[in-house]
Amino acid sequence: DQQVKQNSPSLSVQEGRISILNCDYTNSMFDYFLWYKKYPAEGPTFLISISSIKDKNEDGRFTVFLNKSAKHLSLHIVPSQPGDSAVYFCAASVTGTASKLTFGTGTRLQVTL
Amino acid sequence: DTAVSQTPKYLVTQMGNDKSIKCEQNLGHDTMYWYKQDSKKFLKIMFSYNNKELIINETVPNRFSPKSPDKAHLNLHINSLELGDSAVYFCASSQGGGGSYGYTFGSGTRLTVV
Repeated sequence: DQQVKQNSPSLSVQEGRISILNCDYTNSMFDYFLWYKKYPAEGPTFLISISSIKDKNEDGRFTVFLNKSAKHLSLHIVPSQPGDSAVYFCAASVTGTASKLTFGTGTRLQVTL
Repeated sequence: DTAVSQTPKYLVTQMGNDKSIKCEQNLGHDTMYWYKQDSKKFLKIMFSYNNKELIINETVPNRFSPKSPDKAHLNLHINSLELGDSAVYFCASSQGGGGSYGYTFGSGTRLTVV
């Protein structure tokens, strides 16, 4: 019962173009969504988050969009840079002291020159 | 200066052995976690401690026993290791449930059981 799904295992984008990473979820109790970036042999690092009361959150080149009715979120990276090449994980949580993050399986982004 | 540090980074051991992985955070966070990333790349929570108290215990074999001597440390002890325990284990910490900043992860411990 995979509650958070990233259906694209990989994505290749040219430098300077937009990268769009997608994530779907099934649990309507989720009220917080996060994106993590992971380089090989390192732990995931927090990138950006969004609360379910919003539909968009922006931080520099990174924007996360949330469509609650479709249970879908996406991460846009504009412009994409070679240093963005990594695995991106979508995660979701239900706010509370005992909250836990439920992760998707990740999308490997390759930004080419 | 590492915020969340895990040791060892790599661990190769034989089936049936007992091993421990240590985790320490210097962020002053009150909640710590163990996550397991299996061969299919699923990152799944195993345990969570808040101020040394166990608050999340997912369906994990009781061969796995977490121990939190203080809120800055969360160790994971595994008894009678099996081949299926091979995975990357990540420690993480957060303030409360994580809020808008989520967790801070360690760099992982790659456990290989042979």
